[in-house]
Amino acid sequence: LAKTTQPISMDSYEGQEVNITCSHNNIATNDYITWYQQFPSQGPRFIIQGYKTKVTNEVASLFIPADRKSSTLSLPRVSLSDTAVYYCLVGDGRNDYKLSFGAGTTVTVRA
Amino acid sequence: GAVVSQHPSWVICKSGTSVKIECRSLDFQATTMFWYRQFPKQSLMLMATSNEGSKATYEQGVEKDKFLINHASLTLSTLTVTSAHPEDSSFYICSGMGGASGRGETQYFGPGTRLLVL
Repeated sequence: LAKTTQPISMDSYEGQEVNITCSHNNIATNDYITWYQQFPSQGPRFIIQGYKTKVTNEVASLFIPADRKSSTLSLPRVSLSDTAVYYCLVGDGRNDYKLSFGAGTTVTVRA
Repeated sequence: GAVVSQHPSWVICKSGTSVKIECRSLDFQATTMFWYRQFPKQSLMLMATSNEGSKATYEQGVEKDKFLINHASLTLSTLTVTSAHPEDSSFYICSGMGGASGRGETQYFGPGTRLLVL
């Protein structure tokens, strides 16, 4: 399974933009990059998924450079309710798309 | 769209009893379902992968006779913890994945089931 590396924690303030960068140096050609958000005692919630370049939806943007060895999740204008753990994962199409969860990034938004 | 439910949301049982947890995909057909376990302050650990109509594939270190998985339909998978012990107390989370969408296979997760074994 492709391994990912992301910062353990990040602090921010309400209204700021939060950017979380994830490294996935051994990403394979067919792999997609997916980000999830998890609140305590809840299942992970899908945020965004991409293959290359930029993807944007109503909650976030995902930037993927041409070499695809990293990706950056951008959360615009965060609020206190965005405090959560964010996971970057690479889906391995050769392995039933199993996901290997790392420690994730704990984002704390302060007032 | 892509909603997954789990039942029950929490369960307390006595040591030695069996507990069944249901995972349902409500608005899509999940050809593949996954079961994870999460201990406090830790990340999710994949336990097993199940494809509809076939036997589950367990990750290394997960006892298949203890954690029975059945994926009888495209919308339902069950995890039965047999002869539960206090060390099985954990947060169990399932996910469902539908057919190829052309955008990569995306897993959608259930809300989780908190199991406490006394």
